Amino acid sequence: GAVVSQHPSRVICKSGTSVKIECRSLDFQATTMFWYRQFPKKSLMLMATSNEGSKATYEQGVEKDKFLINHASLTLSTLTVTSAHPEDSSFYICSASRGQVGTDTQYFGPGTRLTVL
Amino acid sequence: QKEVEQNSGPLSVPEGAIASLNCTYSDRGSQSFFWYRQYSGKSPELIMSIYSNGDKEDGRFTAQLNKASQYVSLLIRDSQPSDSATYLCAVTGSARQLTFGSGTQLTVLP
Repeated sequence: GAVVSQHPSRVICKSGTSVKIECRSLDFQATTMFWYRQFPKKSLMLMATSNEGSKATYEQGVEKDKFLINHASLTLSTLTVTSAHPEDSSFYICSASRGQVGTDTQYFGPGTRLTVL
Repeated sequence: QKEVEQNSGPLSVPEGAIASLNCTYSDRGSQSFFWYRQYSGKSPELIMSIYSNGDKEDGRFTAQLNKASQYVSLLIRDSQPSDSATYLCAVTGSARQLTFGSGTQLTVLP
């Protein structure tokens, strides 16, 4: 199998606080993990790509100081939304890839719904 | 032009019918093609992956790829109400990033 978990599944926080979301690959080593956000009735938008042990690569328009990504091991990546504001409220989804040559399937976590009051 | 385009739908088919979902992409260097299913409020679930021209069948699902036409499709045979969801076409381009289409909402009517 290829199971990816996320924690927490849902979080509500006050404006100005920081929120950390964890993404774990449970039964495989993920050379690359990805973070997406999705607004209602919209498709997934890639925020950043992270490889274990190196700095994340952020997509254009994504503030790296606001969305801190750490990929400390081959099974864990974290996304920290710093000084969250209501406009950061969204569905955040991570995915993980084995990174095998010729097959770059991404397996998605169940997502984290963030609501900033 | 969007990198990955899908008909947004909604697409409605009766139970037992064949549902046909289409997707076109702009990057000729694209290598890998995926169909994901997303239920409301949930994250995407991989349905099919396809890498070479032709058809690939898995149960009731058939993915078709035509790289010359930059076209990929998904057929769902014997559609069931549980197939009602948004179907996302995703393509890995020459930059090796996964780009999603906007999704097609499918409703299978009992």
